[in-house]
Amino acid sequence: GAVVSQHPSRVICKSGTSVKIECRSLDFQATTMFWYRQFPKQSLMLMATSNEGSKATYEQGVEKDKFLINHASLTLSTLTVTSAHPEDSSFYICSARSGSTTDTQYFGPGTRLTVL
Amino acid sequence: QQQVKQSPQSLIVQKGGISIINCAYENTAFDYFPWYQQFPGKGPALLIAIRPDVSEKKEGRFTISFNKSAKQFSLHIMDSQPGDSATYFCAASRTSYDKVIFGPGTSLSVIP
Repeated sequence: GAVVSQHPSRVICKSGTSVKIECRSLDFQATTMFWYRQFPKQSLMLMATSNEGSKATYEQGVEKDKFLINHASLTLSTLTVTSAHPEDSSFYICSARSGSTTDTQYFGPGTRLTVL
Repeated sequence: QQQVKQSPQSLIVQKGGISIINCAYENTAFDYFPWYQQFPGKGPALLIAIRPDVSEKKEGRFTISFNKSAKQFSLHIMDSQPGDSATYFCAASRTSYDKVIFGPGTSLSVIP
């Protein structure tokens, strides 16, 4: 199956700093990528949808100025958590799909963010 | 408003038994219903998926049953094994490539 990677797998940062998380599709071109957030023992909540070369679409309640998403190429999307605070500590997961209308989404392994 | 409901929240099954997880949805525009398996600290992995035009789909020990009129679907894991212990999420989307809406999840423990 298709492979999606995320980097870093874990990151610890101080409150007020910014953190960038990368999502890469390794063996296919991803026209669309999705970013999810998962708090402990909870479900995945969609944060935003990004299409290559265009602005991301954010879900209701997600601050677009705090969670910056860039999808500059067909294999890479980045999520930047700006001015991170302890409440932003979570498991961030991306998924990607190719341009084929029959393709499903493939999920990355996730990034554990801890803000001190 | 929870678009996809799931029960039970947790489930303990003996090895060799059948694990059953039930889900329900409201939005009739949903056209694709995947199930995901997630181990601690890992991303979710697609287990099996079904579309409303099929009432049942089986892949190995995993079977999805779908009731379109009731807007319900369920996952059956036959001959459950300790390695099946994980969190299972049912989900729904308008198409296989649209955003996925996840249910709240079921934590399955298979005991020897």
